[in-house]
Amino acid sequence: SQQGEEDPQALSIQEGENATMNCSYKTSINNLQWYRQNSGRGLVHLILIRSNEREKHSGRLRVTLDTSKKSSSLLITASRAADTASYFCATDPKAAGNKLTFGGGTRVLVKP
Amino acid sequence: DGGITQSPKYLFRKEGQNVTLSCEQNLNHDAMYWYRQDPGQGLRLIYYSQIVNDFQKGDIAEGYSVSREKKESFPLTVTSAQKNPTAFYLCASSIGAGPEKLFFGSGTQLSVL
Repeated sequence: SQQGEEDPQALSIQEGENATMNCSYKTSINNLQWYRQNSGRGLVHLILIRSNEREKHSGRLRVTLDTSKKSSSLLITASRAADTASYFCATDPKAAGNKLTFGGGTRVLVKP
Repeated sequence: DGGITQSPKYLFRKEGQNVTLSCEQNLNHDAMYWYRQDPGQGLRLIYYSQIVNDFQKGDIAEGYSVSREKKESFPLTVTSAQKNPTAFYLCASSIGAGPEKLFFGSGTQLSVL
């Protein structure tokens, strides 16, 4: 079974709107990471948040982490057509020994 | 340019055949990983290596084999024992032994003839 599960599975928004996606996980983690994948390509690392951090920003990205609820959210502000991609959360479980576990992803479509 | 190179981009396997996917990195990273991605799904870990001449099974290692004879190379062999090999295969690396900030190659699409 997957450690991380994203919600929603798909999201369609207009350019300029904000996009929010969530990730839930099951066990204690060292860190949680978000990646982006354009169709048919490799993944690109976006941001890493450690278990002792609650919020992190990078450009138009804002990530929150709630370890009590075992959940994280990724917010993309002022979305652009180029943000169209699949977004994955990945967790580094404390008990897993250097194994990064990915969720099923959220497919985001930004319409111009 | 530094990065991870996967080849070939597309690969076809005949029944009963072993095929090898190449992954090379010039980032001087210690750890390397192989993931499998099925359509519309997330990534599942096949094998990973934190140091030369050592590697560990991931969650779906059956039917696959790897080697890590050089720091920059981590080839994956899909054996005939893997009955459902059609998938997108992604190789990645990270600076330290831990899985922080993975750098990915552009992937190999493997299909069965």
